[in-house]
Amino acid sequence: DSGVTQTPKHLITATGQRVTLRCSPRSGDLSVYWYQQSLDQGLQFLIQYYNGEERAKGNILERFSAQQFPDLHSELNLSSLELGDSALYFCASRAGSTDTQYFGPGTRLTVL
Amino acid sequence: QKEVEQDPGPLSVPEGAIVSLNCTYSNSAFQYFMWYRQYSRKGPELLMYTYSSGNKEDGRFTAQVDKSSKYISLFIRDSQPSDSATYLCAMSMDTGRRALTFGSGTRLQVQP
Repeated sequence: DSGVTQTPKHLITATGQRVTLRCSPRSGDLSVYWYQQSLDQGLQFLIQYYNGEERAKGNILERFSAQQFPDLHSELNLSSLELGDSALYFCASRAGSTDTQYFGPGTRLTVL
Repeated sequence: QKEVEQDPGPLSVPEGAIVSLNCTYSNSAFQYFMWYRQYSRKGPELLMYTYSSGNKEDGRFTAQVDKSSKYISLFIRDSQPSDSATYLCAMSMDTGRRALTFGSGTRLQVQP
């Protein structure tokens, strides 16, 4: 158990819909990263938050957004969903003094 | 061309064999190198972390980094059926953001 929690485990929705994925980092970790894992693209970095502020953006679509709340949990919002958005979405957290990221169990999103 | 290249396998070995997994990369700015293990549909689990060039050993696992060749390796000694998983190399730059760039993963099967 990495200490990072993600909900829900599975999400099935239809094209055009909007969903919210939730992540709670390890106790004390200020950085949260979101990654997308698909069969054709592998694991790709989407976005990073540090102590409530956006720090870095990767290959994140404009239809996707995220935020980190004062209690340090983070949410990833995916809107106008397309079939190609079906993937595993992971969040990871990192303590400020280390260089290693610990991953949560992921949310499996299926868009029908 | 991808920044990080990794043979997808599958790699099948008998129990007790020494396994060698490799990644090559093109961006010389990468300074931090990690190996993650991912069981089917689970979150990646951190196995090894190395900063810059050199070797690191932890139990049956040895990680090597050769920055001059832009080549990293993970060796698994006395492989066990429980080692059957996908192994992902990951790396990041020496910046505060530390977003990870992953290889595509190598699927390993250890036959009893």
